[in-house]
Amino acid sequence: DAKTTQPPSMDCAEGRAANLPCNHSTISGNEYVYWYRQIHSQGPQYIIHGLKNNETNEMASLIITEDRKSSTLILPHATLRDTAVYYCIVRLSLNTGTASKLTFGTGTRLQVTL
Amino acid sequence: NAGVTQTPKFQVLKTGQSMTLQCAQDMNHEYMSWYRQDPGMGLRLIHYSVGAGITDQGEVPNGYNVSRSTTEDFPLRLLSAAPSQTSVYFCASRSDGGGYTFGSGTRLTVV
Repeated sequence: DAKTTQPPSMDCAEGRAANLPCNHSTISGNEYVYWYRQIHSQGPQYIIHGLKNNETNEMASLIITEDRKSSTLILPHATLRDTAVYYCIVRLSLNTGTASKLTFGTGTRLQVTL
Repeated sequence: NAGVTQTPKFQVLKTGQSMTLQCAQDMNHEYMSWYRQDPGMGLRLIHYSVGAGITDQGEVPNGYNVSRSTTEDFPLRLLSAAPSQTSVYFCASRSDGGGYTFGSGTRLTVV
């Protein structure tokens, strides 16, 4: 799986958009970009994933650059409850043994403040 | 409620003891995994399974065994607990093409 690089920490004011970047310059054509977050002491929570096109769901939007070497997770209106560590993960989508692996890095610690 | 259930939530073991961490999911997911998370660090994969009867090693498998006799259950066994296994353990499952659902974790201390 491709390695990802994220800033270790970010701050965001409540009500503003939080834009979390991720670099994955070695991504291959059949690898998806996944985002998870982990709120203190809880299990990680799936947010969103995508391959090429931008994706949006009730939690966030995912913007993937045309060359797929980087992406940005957008929380449109951050709240205090969005304070968490956010993980960007790249992995295969195939139904093989390796497809079940998630390789977590150290993520970005997002602090939402009043 | 549907999801991934882990038991126990907390456990203290003495060095050399063995125990089994339980994980069950009711979503009919084929893929299940065990991770450990040490303080201030990301999650590391211990073992995973792509279906009943099929398991494989992850990044840090030493000292742990798994089995997958049913789709629903994926227990993790500590054979002889060591202080280095003090950690938070997370079980997760997913369906084809979907994101993982994680359990709430088991906090294990080995003294």
